[in-house]
Formats: sequence, structure tokens, C-alpha cells
Amino acid sequence: QVQLVQSGAEVKKPGSSVKVSCKASGDTFSTYKFNWVRQAPGQGLEWMGGIIPIFETPAYAQNFQGRVTITADESTRTIYLELSSLTSEDTAMYFCARDRTPHYDFWNGFGSWGQGTLVIVSS
Amino acid sequence: SSELTQDPAVSVALGQTVTITCQGDSLRDYYASWYQQKSGQAPVLVVYPHNNRPSGIPDRFSASNSGNSASLIITETRAEDEAAYYCSSRDGTGDRVVFGGGTKVTVL
Repeated sequence: QVQLVQSGAEVKKPGSSVKVSCKASGDTFSTYKFNWVRQAPGQGLEWMGGIIPIFETPAYAQNFQGRVTITADESTRTIYLELSSLTSEDTAMYFCARDRTPHYDFWNGFGSWGQGTLVIVSS
Repeated sequence: SSELTQDPAVSVALGQTVTITCQGDSLRDYYASWYQQKSGQAPVLVVYPHNNRPSGIPDRFSASNSGNSASLIITETRAEDEAAYYCSSRDGTGDRVVFGGGTKVTVL
């Protein structure tokens, strides 16, 4: 089983950027897809994008194209989410989640989740 | 289409059965996964494709699929099942993931 530990809460000014990390331990890293999912206060889950470390090519949701960058560092087993041009609407909990099965297997949802990182955007 | 639609809320009496539905075009090509999220916590996978449960999830949770619709069924509902439930699937491209808006289950 994998454990995902995310970085701490952030408070950012509108127009700035934020970078959140997710460190994986306890299981294979490179062949699984890691995803970022956000949840605004009182709202539902929204997939932002994901990356398979061995391939390094991320996929992004259309809503975030041009504003989001997801990267992976295999040496530290860490996934990063960077979101730019922040507005108050980006205030949310950001979750890291790993696919339950490796990229070459049938997709079986997100089997492991981080604890979440709260990002507050406020002037 | 890349949208999944769920009813916002449903209530169920203790010990009874509740069915949560999810509709969307992507479900014609991809099976749904289902997540439970309790207040202030990260989501937890409760059912994944072909009606499988991760270890530790009771067999009171099951799922079905038909056409553009998927359902999560909870039998013998307990107070601890009160939570928001989300469906998700691959979208039409196969490379992205979509979530339903979530269904808040209240146990009476």
C-alpha cells in the first residue's frame, strides 16, 4: 500500500502562484498515475490532471489548461502541482491521489489519497 | 460529453437500502468508480470497476452499470454510512477523469 503525504497549507495573494507537493512511500512509484483533485469549500471533487512518472507527460483537465503544471521527481518520489494566476475561486482543498492499478492495467479508480492541502487565495 | 450527473441528496432509514445513481455519456465506454467522503476527510474508494471492493470495505456496498448509468447500492445502511458519495470515470478521451457532483446521503 502507498502512503501519500502532502505539504502544508498555503495562503496566497491573487495573481500569484502556488506549488503543492505530494510525497509517496511504501509502494512502486514510477508506473502508477498520480493525480490532483481539488475541492472548493462545500463543493464537489474536480480532477485537475495527472502524471505517470515513468513517462513524465502530464494530462490536464480543460478547465486548467495553461494555468496548471504537474511534475514528478522520481529521485524523491514526489509529485508537484503548480497553479498560476490564482484568484479567490482557487481557494480549495487540493488532494493528491494515486491510481489503484499501474498505467498498463485496467483503470480502477483512485485507490490512495493524500490528506489534502488547503490553499487560500486572499488579498 | 465529459459530465457525470448525480442527485444532490438522498435520505435512507437506518437498516434500509439506498441506491445512488450517476449518469453520463462516458459511462457507455467506461465503468464507474465510487468514493465515500465524510466531513473533513479525504475521499475513500468504496467500489471500483466490475463491482469490486477494496479490502476493508463491507459487502453492503455494491455497484451496477447499464448504458449511460451507474449505481451504488448500500444495503443494511448504518449511521456510519452518512457521507457524500461521488462517482467517477474516464472521460470520452480516455485520458482524463471526470467526477459526478456528489450525493449527500443522510441516515434517518
